[in-house]
Amino acid sequence: EAGVTQSPTHLIKTRGQQATLRCSPISGHTSVYWYQQALGLGLQFLLWYDEGEERNRGNFPPRFSGRQFPNYSSELNVNALELEDSALYLCASSFPGYSGNTIYFGEGSWLTVV
Amino acid sequence: GQQLNQSPQSMFIQEGEDVSMNCTSSSIFNTWLWYKQEPGEGPVLLIALYKAGELTSNGRLTAQFGITRKDSFLNISASIPSDVGIYFCAGGGTSYGKLTFGQGTILTVHP
Repeated sequence: EAGVTQSPTHLIKTRGQQATLRCSPISGHTSVYWYQQALGLGLQFLLWYDEGEERNRGNFPPRFSGRQFPNYSSELNVNALELEDSALYLCASSFPGYSGNTIYFGEGSWLTVV
Repeated sequence: GQQLNQSPQSMFIQEGEDVSMNCTSSSIFNTWLWYKQEPGEGPVLLIALYKAGELTSNGRLTAQFGITRKDSFLNISASIPSDVGIYFCAGGGTSYGKLTFGQGTILTVHP
């Protein structure tokens, strides 16, 4: 069974541009989560989508946004990129979401902003 | 907001030694999870704990959900070189859909 898949693996953008990252959850999972892992800062919760709706959001500015499609895959968009947005962006998925679900991560997308 | 204190930050051990790491919080959690992350990869789930006092094993790994719901520990017995990586604890179940992660423990195992 395929795990969580993310694309692209690596992305290089310049400051001010927009980045789009994609995620396909494990089959049967309807909840998708996005985390940012910047060097030295650990994993920070970004967004949670379930059944196509944004259910919770971490402490990030509005230029971090996303959506979930009817097939439960998800997209993370980062607008007006800043140098400090350089990080590993991790997508995770779980069965229908409620507090305390066990989540499974993909391998991540490395975003470098120059 | 909720924060987890994970210790130690790093460990350098000899192959065959046992390892212990823990996480503490000022807030309670309903779920504790332990992940391992290797360079260039996403975190891989090792053990999930759902009940205060629960003790769960996965091969050489054992983890416990503290009775106060504010802490958890992970033990690795008889370490081997492939145990090398960063181990993260995560607490969940109190903020809808969100896990709070510890800062990670970097484990190095010398053959």
